Amino acid sequence: NAGVTQTPKFRVLKTGQSMTLLCAQDMNHEYMYWYRQDPGMGLRLIHYSVGEGTTAKGEVPDGYNVSRLKKQNFLLGLESAAPSQTSVYFCASSSISRGNDNEQFFGPGTRLTVL
Amino acid sequence: LAKTTQPISMDSYEGQEVNITCSHNNIATNDYITWYQQFPSQGPRFIIQGYKTKVTNEVASLFIPADRKSSTLSLPRVSLSDTAVYYCLVGPYSSASKIIFGSGTRLSIRP
Repeated sequence: NAGVTQTPKFRVLKTGQSMTLLCAQDMNHEYMYWYRQDPGMGLRLIHYSVGEGTTAKGEVPDGYNVSRLKKQNFLLGLESAAPSQTSVYFCASSSISRGNDNEQFFGPGTRLTVL
Repeated sequence: LAKTTQPISMDSYEGQEVNITCSHNNIATNDYITWYQQFPSQGPRFIIQGYKTKVTNEVASLFIPADRKSSTLSLPRVSLSDTAVYYCLVGPYSSASKIIFGSGTRLSIRP
């Protein structure tokens, strides 16, 4: 199993450009999440999904949109990138059927720079 | 949502036992305590989770007193590879979306 994968690993955007980050998991997990992590800080939840076709806002949703058309994929979109969105983005997934219910499995991250 | 407080940084030496304490004074009845480890340029990795008393796995132990207002992650005989940031999280079971990552504790292990 590949676990949680993220595409791309690195990206540089200019202010105003748009892009989509792709997260894929092969563990058949119900829940998926998008976080951002700024230097020296903890992770902050952007959006999450509890199942195919459903999404919800997290702590810092402004400037981002998400979609979960397939259970294994969770997309994060930036419609008009801003320098404040420069960060490392992590995707995670979790299952409601495991013993450690709050255990999230994280991807390797996408490092995004907005100039 | 329960807020957590943990030391910003800690130093130790190889072979020592390291204890990282987390304070969560307003923990709710249905909240669990979870610890994650994060290495540089990687996503966090689950270490251990507990509700009360003591939990032990192959990596660490988690001690939770009766009032549950704090918890201690214990790492036995640390090595250089245990140098990482450790996050204490508190949140309700089956509601991982309500989990909040704080700034964590930066643990540095020296030879």
